[in-house]
Amino acid sequence: NAGVMQNPRHLVRRRGQEARLRCSPMKGHSHVYWYRQLPEEGLKFMVYLQKENIIDESGMPKERFSAEFPKEGPSILRIQQVVRGDSAAYFCASSPLQGSYEQYFGPGTRLTVT
Amino acid sequence: AQSVTQLGSHVSVSEGALVLLRCNYSSSVPPYLFWYVQYPNQGLQLLLKYTSAATLVKGINGFEAEFKKSETSFHLTKPSAHMSDAAEYFCAVSVGSGGGADGLTFGKGTHLIIQP
Repeated sequence: NAGVMQNPRHLVRRRGQEARLRCSPMKGHSHVYWYRQLPEEGLKFMVYLQKENIIDESGMPKERFSAEFPKEGPSILRIQQVVRGDSAAYFCASSPLQGSYEQYFGPGTRLTVT
Repeated sequence: AQSVTQLGSHVSVSEGALVLLRCNYSSSVPPYLFWYVQYPNQGLQLLLKYTSAATLVKGINGFEAEFKKSETSFHLTKPSAHMSDAAEYFCAVSVGSGGGADGLTFGKGTHLIIQP
């Protein structure tokens, strides 16, 4: 059973470009979470999605950031007009439909904005 | 709102010695608590979880943690450290409003160093 998949593992963007980060949850998992890890900080929750629904986006910056989890395909975290402060590791996690409390994390995407 | 405090950003122990990583939480409702480990340039791996069953929780790689409501603590221990335990450790809390399916709140992490 493959784990949570994230791609790309490393992404370099110039200021002003768009970044698209992809996450494929574990098989059978329909809950997806995105977290951001900044240097010298812990992980911060960004958004929680189920298929075709955003359940909780309380941790998402108000501008330039968006997330989706379509009926088919991976979840996408999109950052428009990236700035240097967006450089971080972005982690995706998934959990099963019900009755489970743990989240399984992917290897992360390390975004560098030059 | 819930929060997590991990005392000590760096902890150094000798190989074979006891490992103790401290975690205190703040939550207005009974929490679900987790310890994760992160090796360099990798994702997080779940070590153990507390979900209101037994207060002493055993996890992988010989780690265990005890939930103490009176102290609002969930400290992680391992009787004998191994060189392979060197990593970053994160304590996390969830209040489980959606049956546990909500975002985790993490502590800032403790970097565990193992001295030979």
